[in-house]
Amino acid sequence: GQQLNQSPQSMFIQEGEDVSMNCTSSSIFNTWLWYKQDPGEGPVLLIALYKAGELTSNGRLTAQFGITRKDSFLNISASIPSDVGIYFCAGQFDNTDKLIFGTGTRLQVFP
Amino acid sequence: ETGVTQSPTHLIKTRGQQVTLRCSSQSGHNTVSWYQQALGQGPQFIFQYYREEENGRGNFPPRFSGLQFPNYSSELNVNALELDDSALYLCASSFQTANYGYTFGSGTRLTVV
Repeated sequence: GQQLNQSPQSMFIQEGEDVSMNCTSSSIFNTWLWYKQDPGEGPVLLIALYKAGELTSNGRLTAQFGITRKDSFLNISASIPSDVGIYFCAGQFDNTDKLIFGTGTRLQVFP
Repeated sequence: ETGVTQSPTHLIKTRGQQVTLRCSSQSGHNTVSWYQQALGQGPQFIFQYYREEENGRGNFPPRFSGLQFPNYSSELNVNALELDDSALYLCASSFQTANYGYTFGSGTRLTVV
């Protein structure tokens, strides 16, 4: 099935560092979403983006909807141990459509 | 307000068998979507149910079928299980079909041997 390209695949960083990850698609989306998944749990929505060029923050998290509508970026500032997990981007053609998920970025934070 | 609950949490089946997975949607949600997440991959859309009818389907064969009940709970049925069906099956509920309101359950881990 179709999946979006996410990079990097994994990151190993020290507590306090900033993190950046991105997601690209060959298709244009109307909505971009970022999720975090902890082991043994379902994905939890972090940020939703609805307009090209939109920049949205949620605490230490900031995400942007790319101007071409084919990409999105997620930044985490001042990482903490509880940021550990797998981060997924997801694209949506319209708000009644299925989600198309990325391949995931696994984040490890060391004290 | 209860979230999305799925049962069972883990299941082991033999190739060729049939399996039924269950999902109770979050209070106030009337739409249920099912996703398959293979190890190391992102979730893949299987289908969505709204008002007890299938409302969209991903690239999955007919042996994957579902039901939605009047209380908005849902079942995912898989017939003639194959080894590649081993995955985490996630249920997500939302109000109407607006997916930005998705709440995911913790999933059912299915292992086919």
